Amino acid sequence: EAGVAQSPRYKIIEKRQSVAFWCNPISGHATLYWYQQILGQGPKLLIQFQNNGVVDDSQLPKDRFSAERLKGVDSTLKIQPAKLEDSAVYLCASSFSRGANVLTFGAGSRLTVL
Amino acid sequence: SQQGEEDPQALSIQEGENATMNCSYKTSINNLQWYRQNSGRGLVHLILIRSNEREKHSGRLRVTLDTSKKSSSLLITASRAADTASYFCATDADNDMRFGAGTRLTVKP
Repeated sequence: EAGVAQSPRYKIIEKRQSVAFWCNPISGHATLYWYQQILGQGPKLLIQFQNNGVVDDSQLPKDRFSAERLKGVDSTLKIQPAKLEDSAVYLCASSFSRGANVLTFGAGSRLTVL
Repeated sequence: SQQGEEDPQALSIQEGENATMNCSYKTSINNLQWYRQNSGRGLVHLILIRSNEREKHSGRLRVTLDTSKKSSSLLITASRAADTASYFCATDADNDMRFGAGTRLTVKP
């Protein structure tokens, strides 16, 4: 089966600019996650979708980050405006459903904010 | 916020030796999972242990879970240079997967 697809792989922007990341989960996976991984740290959950509904976005900085999962398949994570501290790898993962399920991760999108 | 905390932060061993990593967490969990991340790549699932299990094996991996101490350990036996990676524990509580900061394992050939 195809894995979790993410794009772009790398993005360099200046602070206050905007950026969008795209994720296509494994076919049939109802749950989709966006994680932020700062260099040297573990992944931090930003938002979790179950189909096209948000389950948990408690750690999403909503003043600048937004995410959507239209039609319960692809998802887009947007940052506007970006700050220096947003430099990180943004990981998308999917699982068949919530609870006792293994997450399959994409390769990530590395963002550098100058 | 992070749920699990791995210990040690970094571990360096010789090929053929065993590597043990520990994870502690704070709240009740449904299950605990271990993932591996090679440099510049996404995370790959290694093993899942449910809250009612105490030990699980998969190939050269052995995972233990002590819910009374809120801790887990991952043992990699007969390590290989290809095991060099970061290892993360992830706790599933209320269907939210939270990761620790990871243990960076280096296996020298």
